[in-house]
Amino acid sequence: QQQVKQSPQSLIVQKGGISIINCAYENTAFDYFPWYQQFPGKGPALLIAIRPDVSEKKEGRFTISFNKSAKQFSLHIMDSQPGDSATYFCAAREWGKLQFGAGTQVVVTP
Amino acid sequence: DAGITQSPRHKVTETGTPVTLRCHQTENHRYMYWYRQDPGHGLRLIHYSYGVKDTDKGEVSDGYSVSRSKTEDFLLTLESATSSQTSVYFCAISDTRGSNQPQHFGDGTRLSIL
Repeated sequence: QQQVKQSPQSLIVQKGGISIINCAYENTAFDYFPWYQQFPGKGPALLIAIRPDVSEKKEGRFTISFNKSAKQFSLHIMDSQPGDSATYFCAAREWGKLQFGAGTQVVVTP
Repeated sequence: DAGITQSPRHKVTETGTPVTLRCHQTENHRYMYWYRQDPGHGLRLIHYSYGVKDTDKGEVSDGYSVSRSKTEDFLLTLESATSSQTSVYFCAISDTRGSNQPQHFGDGTRLSIL
């Protein structure tokens, strides 16, 4: 039973467009919500993270929106670039252990 | 990049054979983790370690064992490999369990069991 549900499974966006990935959870003990970016043949790399007492965090073109009451959080990639084409994973942490979503493959077309 | 080396990077073996994967870190981080990655499942925690000789099970620990005799090395062993253990295995490290300390991942070991 996946504790963090991620959608969509894949998405295609044109260069310059906005990519939006959504995640939902049930466990209110989660205390940290990171997003990871993974390129083929490489390990996941931390992209951006948020704590549940913050509703939004922005780093460059990447923004996390967090809705504690709805137990949902999302990643927005603004001005998407071909170099953003990768698989993105949301995660949630409890006692140092991460639960991952199933991943979203993002393809940015030129 | 965090100093994490996984070996081997690729391995093909037969059902029933023992397999050991190695994770080596140069960051002197206390916590180390083993995950497996399968399509549709994201990454799932197999075992983790919170210090030398201190380990605990994750959500998919059946069929796997681990050992940590030194801070820098964390070994994952499949005692008798099965085809269901064909996967990509990732090691991760972190300095603390709390606060905003992220986990940093190695580049994985692709394991195929025939």
